[in-house]
Amino acid sequence: AQKVTQAQTEISVVEKEDVTLDCVYETRDTTYYLFWYKQPPSGELVFLIRRNSFDEQNEISGRYSWNFQKSTSSFNFTITASQVVDSAVYFCALSEAVGGGADGLTFGKGTHLIIQP
Amino acid sequence: GAVVSQHPSRVICKSGTSVKIECRSLDFQATTMFWYRQFPKKSLMLMATSNEGSKATYEQGVEKDKFLINHASLTLSTLTVTSAHPEDSSFYICSAPDSNYSYTFGSGTRLTVV
Repeated sequence: AQKVTQAQTEISVVEKEDVTLDCVYETRDTTYYLFWYKQPPSGELVFLIRRNSFDEQNEISGRYSWNFQKSTSSFNFTITASQVVDSAVYFCALSEAVGGGADGLTFGKGTHLIIQP
Repeated sequence: GAVVSQHPSRVICKSGTSVKIECRSLDFQATTMFWYRQFPKKSLMLMATSNEGSKATYEQGVEKDKFLINHASLTLSTLTVTSAHPEDSSFYICSAPDSNYSYTFGSGTRLTVV
């Protein structure tokens, strides 16, 4: 069975600081997909990134970057020069299949990120 | 891009009544719909998976008679919370895998049972 661990329940930093949200996963499949979602107080889930197990390249999107390391089963998320608008709960999630025959997502417990002005 | 429209966004109902939540896929066909539940300050937990034209599959511990799921067409899946009680108060959100090999989520329904 798959599992996603987000050990950081809450992180509070001052605006403009860099912050890294950790995600460690467990799966027996060789093919899987990892996701990060942002959940603002309104509740909707905002998709941030999807990465498949065969693509270990790190990704950068503006102030956001992701570090995927299969050797440590980690998929960490870094926000550079954080802003107050980044305050939200962030979820890491895992799926062992997407598309035809898709499985539901297994979510971590989430990290509540607070950016103080 | 793919959109899943979820309604209502917020509902308050009396204990003992039933509430129906609808999720419609716009611009794509959702043969599968996942239903999640999220308690305050908690993670999202998969409740059940619905497939068009067949019975839903429920996760362990989820009462199928309380959470009725119907997936009558390729664009509509519904979750009915029957005989709701205060402990059913939660945030319910649906999700469908789309053609881009990702998941499209509805905007969620915040249910309060009084």
